[in-house]
Amino acid sequence: RKEVEQDPGPFNVPEGATVAFNCTYSNSASQSFFWYRQDCRKEPKLLMSVYSSGNEDGRFTAQLNRASQYISLLIRDSKLSDSATYLCVVNGKGYSTLTFGKGTMLLVSP
Amino acid sequence: DGGITQSPKYLFRKEGQNVTLSCEQNLNHDAMYWYRQDPGQGLRLIYYSQIVNDFQKGDIAEGYSVSREKKESFPLTVTSAQKNPTAFYLCASSRNPRATNEKLFFGSGTQLSVL
Repeated sequence: RKEVEQDPGPFNVPEGATVAFNCTYSNSASQSFFWYRQDCRKEPKLLMSVYSSGNEDGRFTAQLNRASQYISLLIRDSKLSDSATYLCVVNGKGYSTLTFGKGTMLLVSP
Repeated sequence: DGGITQSPKYLFRKEGQNVTLSCEQNLNHDAMYWYRQDPGQGLRLIYYSQIVNDFQKGDIAEGYSVSREKKESFPLTVTSAQKNPTAFYLCASSRNPRATNEKLFFGSGTQLSVL
């Protein structure tokens, strides 16, 4: 099983749609989970951390299921500006390293 | 404004040449990292440093070297031993690498291409 695995994408959705991304991780001892957003040829930027109880930030909701080793990101009311690649990130082999998924590309069309 | 500065934005390497990518941060972060990103791939860790004068190999360190002589600076040298260096290189830092839920701050990246 890959360390961090994401939906391959791309996801093509119309404006206003709701879209969900899934991510699974292999290290059951992982403690930190994040969603980063990356625009083409730019650096990743933190979108949100993922907490055990689930958390919401505006149109974005993140969920963590430790038993299934599964993380999700839900985007409601998609905007054109949401078009980007979304990276699932999990702390991996040690305190100081994070493992990145390959990312899922989202394309929001008018 | 605090942040991480990478330079140059674009870099071309001739075969057999060593090139050095610069990364400077003024966030007073202890830890710094170098990642490589290939098209359609996730970020892969090359080297990381948790403290000045100390660094550790990541998953793909072969053909690369680093130094951490100052807290603010973590340059990456791509040596001639790296046979496939074309990629997008990202430098990052974090405040306390031993804290859980620690976030990474990234520089804007360097695109390295082989002539």
